[in-house]
Amino acid sequence: RKEVEQDPGPFNVPEGATVAFNCTYSNSASQSFFWYRQDCRKEPKLLMSVYSSGNEDGRFTAQLNRASQYISLLIRDSKLSDSATYLCVVPSGGYNKLIFGAGTRLAVHP
Amino acid sequence: NAGVTQTPKFRVLKTGQSMTLLCAQDMNHEYMYWYRQDPGMGLRLIHYSVGEGTTAKGEVPDGYNVSRLKKQNFLLGLESAAPSQTSVYFCASRSPGDNTGELFFGEGSRLTVL
Repeated sequence: RKEVEQDPGPFNVPEGATVAFNCTYSNSASQSFFWYRQDCRKEPKLLMSVYSSGNEDGRFTAQLNRASQYISLLIRDSKLSDSATYLCVVPSGGYNKLIFGAGTRLAVHP
Repeated sequence: NAGVTQTPKFRVLKTGQSMTLLCAQDMNHEYMYWYRQDPGMGLRLIHYSVGEGTTAKGEVPDGYNVSRLKKQNFLLGLESAAPSQTSVYFCASRSPGDNTGELFFGEGSRLTVL
């Protein structure tokens, strides 16, 4: 089993829609998790951190389910500018390594 | 503020040639990483370093070597390039005391091996 697995996507949604992505991880010892956003042909950038049950930042909500070993990212009221690839990141090796999932592509259309 | 700088940004190699990618950061970060990204895939960790003079293997280390002789620089070497190493390479750094999970990335280096 891969350390980090994500919904394959792509997700094509209209503006204003609510969309959710899931990410499962295999290392039950992981304590913190991260969502990165990557625009086409650009470097990834940190979107949100998830330490306990969840985190909310405006239209974005990240939730953690330790029992089932998955995290989710919910985007409400989608904007055209939300179109990007969303990468789930899980620490490994005592936090020295950050392992990325394959990413979920979101396309928001008018 | 330069942050993380990668050179070169583009390179075309022939099979069997060697090259070195340079990553330089000016944030005094202890940890540095090299990732590769292929179409439709996330970033895969090649090698990483938790301090000057130390390196460790990541998920896909075969065919690559690294060196961290100076804290601010992390070099990625390809001794004998293969077409399978055609990819976008990202360098990143972070501080070990920072638990936000924020990696600071360079802009990427696009390598094509013919």
